[in-house]
Parts: sequence; C-alpha cells; structure tokens
Amino acid sequence: GESVGLHLPTLSVQEGDNSIINCAYSNSASDYFIWYKQESGKGPQFIIDIRSNMDKRQGQRVTVLLNKTVKHLSLQIAATQPGDSAVYFCAEYDYKLSFGAGTTVTVRA
Amino acid sequence: GAVVSQHPSRVICKSGTSVKIECRSLDFQATTMFWYRQFPKQSLMLMATSNEGSKATYEQGVEKDKFLINHASLTLSTLTVTSAHPEDSSFYICSARVGQGNQPQHFGDGTRLSIL
Repeated sequence: GESVGLHLPTLSVQEGDNSIINCAYSNSASDYFIWYKQESGKGPQFIIDIRSNMDKRQGQRVTVLLNKTVKHLSLQIAATQPGDSAVYFCAEYDYKLSFGAGTTVTVRA
Repeated sequence: GAVVSQHPSRVICKSGTSVKIECRSLDFQATTMFWYRQFPKQSLMLMATSNEGSKATYEQGVEKDKFLINHASLTLSTLTVTSAHPEDSSFYICSARVGQGNQPQHFGDGTRLSIL
C-alpha cells in the first residue's frame, strides 16, 4: 500500500549547523503535509505544515520544502540547538493523517 | 492555543483489567478526535477516529470490542482497553483537530500502558 517514509532513521548534527530531514511519500492524492517533533515520552508537537499548492513555507528557524514531482518533503532547521534533539515525523493527509517512520536527530555540543 | 490533555500519563495494571484513557481539548471544541498507538522506536499508527455523537470509525485490524471509544461531548473522548493483556502494553496517544479536513492535529502527551 502507499505510505509515507523517511530516507534516514538517524541524523547527527553539530550544534549551530543546519539540519535537513527528508521524507518520501507515495500517495499522489495527499494534499496536506505536516512535520511533527516528538520528544521522549511525549506526544508529537506540531512544527510546520504545507499544502500541495505550495512548494515552500517558512517558520521560525524552520523551512519545509515540497516537491510534488518526485513526492519528496524536507524539513530544514537553521542553527540547530540542543533542544532540537528529538524524533521528527512527516505526515501526509489524504482522507486521514499517515505518519512516516521517523528520523532521530541528535545534536552534538 | 489548541491544547490537548490526556489522562492518565501512565498506567500499570494486572492482566484482565479494563483501563480508561481520557482525551480532552482544553481551549477548543473538537467534533473529531483520533486515537493512535505507538510501539517503542516506531511510528504512530491510527487506531480509530472518534466522532462526537456518533460511532467511532476503526482502522482495519483494530478490534472495536477491545478498544471502546466514546465521544460524548465536543471536548472529551475516552478510550477503554477492555480485558487488557500484556500484548496491549503500548503508548496510546490522542489528537484533536480544529475544524474539518486538512487542518493540523494537536496531540496529547500520551498514556504509557503497562499490563503485567
């Protein structure tokens, strides 16, 4: 079946560097995408979303890019901080929200 | 805004016990809430969609008689795990959405259920 997935399960980043987390999706009918951050023992926290009529959206220190041609989604985090260490999930919405496998981001001091 | 509260945060109980988990939207009304299950180091899997005033919609493979959902008001949905067994041990997370369709879902902080 169609699913959302992430290219890499782990990402180690030096504090202060930029992070890029990638996500591949296969459901061409999905029209809404969300990035969530999940810290240990907590529920997912909304980071940023993007609709299919856009290819880029910026928030505070984060940017989401959507490439519908290759069904690819990415999250860029600028000037990564220790508090950014967490598991990041992309999620796509068709008639329901489906989550990818998650990327664990570890920030090195 | 858009705060979702889940209670309890942790439950440890004996096999055969039924456990109720509450999910509340604190500052908005949610006609639709969602229940997810997450195993260690895995993603969230949707179990069911809870609709205020009507029956829940369960995902394929989820036993509706095992996981009872009640959405009695616009701010409260409950999940009852009936006759829980060790294999039901997991992290259960609820979410709620403001409005309909493609809007962000806001999540509670989950309930860690451990069945001995």
